[in-house]
Amino acid sequence: LPVLTQPPSASALLGASINLTCTLSSEHSTYTIEWYQQRPGRSPQYIMKVKSDGSHSKGDGIPDRFMGSSSGADRYLTLSNLQSDDEAEYHCGESHTIDGQVGLVFGGGTKLTVL
Amino acid sequence: EVQLVESGGDLVQPGGSLRLSCAASGFSVSSYEMNWVRQAPGRGLEWVSYISSSGATKQYADSVKGRFTISRDNAKNSLYLQMNSLRAEDTAIYYCARLSTRGSDYWGQGTLVTVSS
Repeated sequence: LPVLTQPPSASALLGASINLTCTLSSEHSTYTIEWYQQRPGRSPQYIMKVKSDGSHSKGDGIPDRFMGSSSGADRYLTLSNLQSDDEAEYHCGESHTIDGQVGLVFGGGTKLTVL
Repeated sequence: EVQLVESGGDLVQPGGSLRLSCAASGFSVSSYEMNWVRQAPGRGLEWVSYISSSGATKQYADSVKGRFTISRDNAKNSLYLQMNSLRAEDTAIYYCARLSTRGSDYWGQGTLVTVSS
């Protein structure tokens, strides 16, 4: 099964930009992942899907300042012009069918603090 | 507007049972694959179970296999999770999520299950 690794925390200044990283296990480096935002006390919200070629497709109502990209086994979520409302936990996830077995795996999440 | 509303969470003793419900609106559950995902207090997300759009394929995480059963009622446009032989480690907020070609694109607000004596 794929393993997704995320740094536990990140921080940046209001109005700045930040790259959040999700790293796939090396043997699964071509897999597509999804990014989810979870504000405190709320349920996860779908942000976008990011493919190995860097292409991405956003969810409904996701602002243009949220962008996705890829490099090797790394999948990125770039947030520009950070707002206080962006302070949240960001999870990456991967849906797969392996040997007929469907599953979904998540990274440990990155808690983003906007200073 | 797509909405998912979970219910059925409660405080239950170890070894007990609960049935969670997820009522969908704004789309037909019969047209989508669906997942249950849980989140223990202060922890990350953990996939629990999957059901195909036809209902023919059901999958479970190893941690709940043999104890949990996923089902759907297309007439009621709802998803269910029957949880038996509950353990303390099953304590979590349980979310239902719609699975599309984009990923898990809509989630409910969650329902809290607490397993404790």
